[in-house]
Amino acid sequence: DAKTTQPTSMDCAEGRAANLPCNHSTISGNEYVYWYRQIHSQGPQYIIHGLKNNETNEMASLIITEDRKSSTLILPHATLRDTAVYYCIVRVGMSSGSARQLTFGSGTQLTVLP
Amino acid sequence: GAGVSQSPSNKVTEKGKDVELRCDPISGHTALYWYRQRLGQGLEFLIYFQGNSAPDKSGLPSDRFSAERTGESVSTLTIQRTQQEDSAVYLCASSLRGENEQFFGPGTRLTVL
Repeated sequence: DAKTTQPTSMDCAEGRAANLPCNHSTISGNEYVYWYRQIHSQGPQYIIHGLKNNETNEMASLIITEDRKSSTLILPHATLRDTAVYYCIVRVGMSSGSARQLTFGSGTQLTVLP
Repeated sequence: GAGVSQSPSNKVTEKGKDVELRCDPISGHTALYWYRQRLGQGLEFLIYFQGNSAPDKSGLPSDRFSAERTGESVSTLTIQRTQQEDSAVYLCASSLRGENEQFFGPGTRLTVL
């Protein structure tokens, strides 16, 4: 799986958009970008994933650059409950048979401020 | 719908005792994972079940750890003769067939005194 680089921490004002960057310059053509988050004392939570097109769901938007070497997770209206560590991972899509266990890097600690 | 559930939420045990942790995956999810997360650390993969295939036990740290899964439903993780270094949060996750979109339970916090 390709390596990712994220800032250690970010702050965001409540109600504003939170934009979390991720660099993945060694991504290969068949690798997807996935985002998870982990709120303190809870299990990780899947947020969104994409291959090359921008994606949006009820939680967030994912913007992937044309060269796919970086991406940005956007939480459009951050709330205090969005305070968490956000993990960007890059990996191939589903492959049957072998385990697809997740490995997180250090992630970005997002703190939403009142 | 219902998410992944785990029980108990907290377990305190004495060194040397056996413990059993339970995971109920999302209905219809054939893939199930167990992870361990020590305080302030990342996820440590333990074991993977996919349908009726033989489980991938490559992450189990010692023979004191074992897990079972009944069909495509409940799974139990058993730790025998617990040690203090087993203290951690044990997380269970399921996915539809083995995709990278894994849905996690709330975890069981195990404390070995």
